[in-house]
Amino acid sequence: AQSVTQLDSQVPVFEEAPVELRCNYSSSVSVYLFWYVQYPNQGLQLLLKYLSGSTLVESINGFEAEFNKSQTSFHLRKPSVHISDTAEYFCAVSRGSGTYKYIFGTGTRLKVLA
Amino acid sequence: DAGVTQSPTHLIKTRGQQVTLRCSPKSGHDTVSWYQQALGQGPQFIFQYYEEEERQRGNFPDRFSGHQFPNYSSELNVNALLLGDSALYLCASSLTSQGVGIQYFGAGTRLSVL
Repeated sequence: AQSVTQLDSQVPVFEEAPVELRCNYSSSVSVYLFWYVQYPNQGLQLLLKYLSGSTLVESINGFEAEFNKSQTSFHLRKPSVHISDTAEYFCAVSRGSGTYKYIFGTGTRLKVLA
Repeated sequence: DAGVTQSPTHLIKTRGQQVTLRCSPKSGHDTVSWYQQALGQGPQFIFQYYEEEERQRGNFPDRFSGHQFPNYSSELNVNALLLGDSALYLCASSLTSQGVGIQYFGAGTRLSVL
């Protein structure tokens, strides 16, 4: 079985500062990894994904995440945050094959301060 | 290109009642998954439908049931509502032939059970 741990429930950070949101997973098989963002009163939007290949994946709005198999981590980073990045961020894992459900972490609330 | 649409957006029911939530997948998608997101938690997988059959199910009681129609839209039914069923219910669609089945989420239906 897979599981996801997001250690930080809330992360406050000042605008234009860097941020890292941590995600660790547990799985005995190969996995796909995802970050989703949820703005208030909205559904989940796919931010970025790791399926295979390069362990560093990037999104169009400046976020990046690095798959580290030895540390079973998929931390999300942004070098300079904006007020508009304030949202809930969820890390999710899916088995590399055969299983279709996503297992989500409990989420990290990123609050960007002016 | 319409994304995943869910209806209604909000719903208030009382204990013991039954509720039906609806989902239309993103154009071209053939698979629908349902998730329950309790307040302050990550989404929990309920079940997934493909080719009008339940393909996989999470750890939810039989009070939760679903259906997929030939046009790929789906319904989630919950019988004998409990207070603990109050949550945001998210529908996600994907394309099984894509292999990975990256899931795209709707805005959700917020169910309040009084």
